Amino acid sequence: ETGVTQTPRHLVMGMTNKKSLKCEQHLGHNAMYWYKQSAKKPLELMFVYNFKEQTENNSVPSRFSPECPNSSHLFLHLHTLQPEDSALYLCASSQDSPSDQNIQYFGAGTRLSVL
Amino acid sequence: GENVEQHPSTLSVQEGDSAVIKCTYSDSASNYFPWYKQELGKRPQLIIDIRSNVGEKKDQRIAVTLNKTAKHFSLHITETQPEDSAVYFCAGNDMRFGAGTRLTVKP
Repeated sequence: ETGVTQTPRHLVMGMTNKKSLKCEQHLGHNAMYWYKQSAKKPLELMFVYNFKEQTENNSVPSRFSPECPNSSHLFLHLHTLQPEDSALYLCASSQDSPSDQNIQYFGAGTRLSVL
Repeated sequence: GENVEQHPSTLSVQEGDSAVIKCTYSDSASNYFPWYKQELGKRPQLIIDIRSNVGEKKDQRIAVTLNKTAKHFSLHITETQPEDSAVYFCAGNDMRFGAGTRLTVKP
């Protein structure tokens, strides 16, 4: 365990469903990240939060909506997804922002299947 | 953001041989270069990193070298073992990852 917990571990949803992914870190870190991992793009950065503020949105479609209520929790709200959104979604955290040369600690991921 | 290119995409070696994976980056201001290992079904984990004030760093069988002039850094694994089989990722300053290298070590 790295101190970063993701739930659920597996999720199957239809294209009209709304669901949320949750990430929680117990490391006292200030930065949190969402990545998408698929066969096409092995580790694709989606969003970056630093001290609860979104500092990066890597041109992610609006059907993905992140939320960071505090430095320990990060959510990814999903709605009207497409089958090509099926992937492993990884959360990570680091002590400070990416530019500060910080090690990232990853969660185990949520395996999402969109039918 | 930083553009990081990683080669090769796959690498197969015999146990005991060395493996080298290379990444090039575009931002000359980059100053932090990590390498992550992801075993099958597991999360990525940092195995070694280097900062721009040094040219090489070693940790037992793994080492990373940095060439700031040419803007590339490489992961070196010596005396490879089957448990080294995994996907290895380099990352740029802004935590954008390379495309990954699938290393297979044959017993």
